[in-house]
Amino acid sequence: DTGVSQNPRHKITKRGQNVTFRCDPISEHNRLYWYRQTLGQGPEFLTYFQNEAQLEKSRLLSDRFSAERPKGSFSTLEIQRTEQGDSAMYLCASSPLTGGHNEKLFFGSGTQLSVL
Amino acid sequence: QQQVKQSPQSLIVQKGGISIINCAYENTAFDYFPWYQQFPGKGPALLIAIRPDVSEKKEGRFTISFNKSAKQFSLHIMDSQPGDSATYFCAARTLYNFNKFYFGSGTKLNVKP
Repeated sequence: DTGVSQNPRHKITKRGQNVTFRCDPISEHNRLYWYRQTLGQGPEFLTYFQNEAQLEKSRLLSDRFSAERPKGSFSTLEIQRTEQGDSAMYLCASSPLTGGHNEKLFFGSGTQLSVL
Repeated sequence: QQQVKQSPQSLIVQKGGISIINCAYENTAFDYFPWYQQFPGKGPALLIAIRPDVSEKKEGRFTISFNKSAKQFSLHIMDSQPGDSATYFCAARTLYNFNKFYFGSGTKLNVKP
């Protein structure tokens, strides 16, 4: 268990630029999640994958945001035409498909995005 | 609209004391209530969790108390240690959408030596 890996750890970009983040989940985990966390707040759900299928997207996820999980392994989150309001910590989490309901999320350390 | 309301925002406790963090919710469809611990620069890590069919769950120095009728639950950290200094988040999830967690706004705990 090497944990959930996220890259880059920090990203500074200018408003209007596109950015892409990568998440490598724990290898045997089928489920992958993206959450966004702003300063002083708890994580907010963005989207969820089971294997390569994106099964749910939050209304928070505008059309400038897109996430993929090709082949059900790593995932990418892209933000197009970034805005200052996109500045946040983007957290990726994964969990195994256990069949139970007591879901344990394993979070990565996040990508801190700053939009200038 | 915040689905889970958490208090206090920050908490200072002396070493050896009891830390208590409270959460409240309105959605009666919530059926799973985890607590996460987050250190600076790290992602949240699951600490302890409870289902609404029990009123209390204890793991080591950490206890969740659950009051279904009041729709409230709390985290108690007994014999608090400086190493417990972190931000704590309560969360909740429904049975019909068990992949989506709603987190509280967090409590920053500082345990003074």
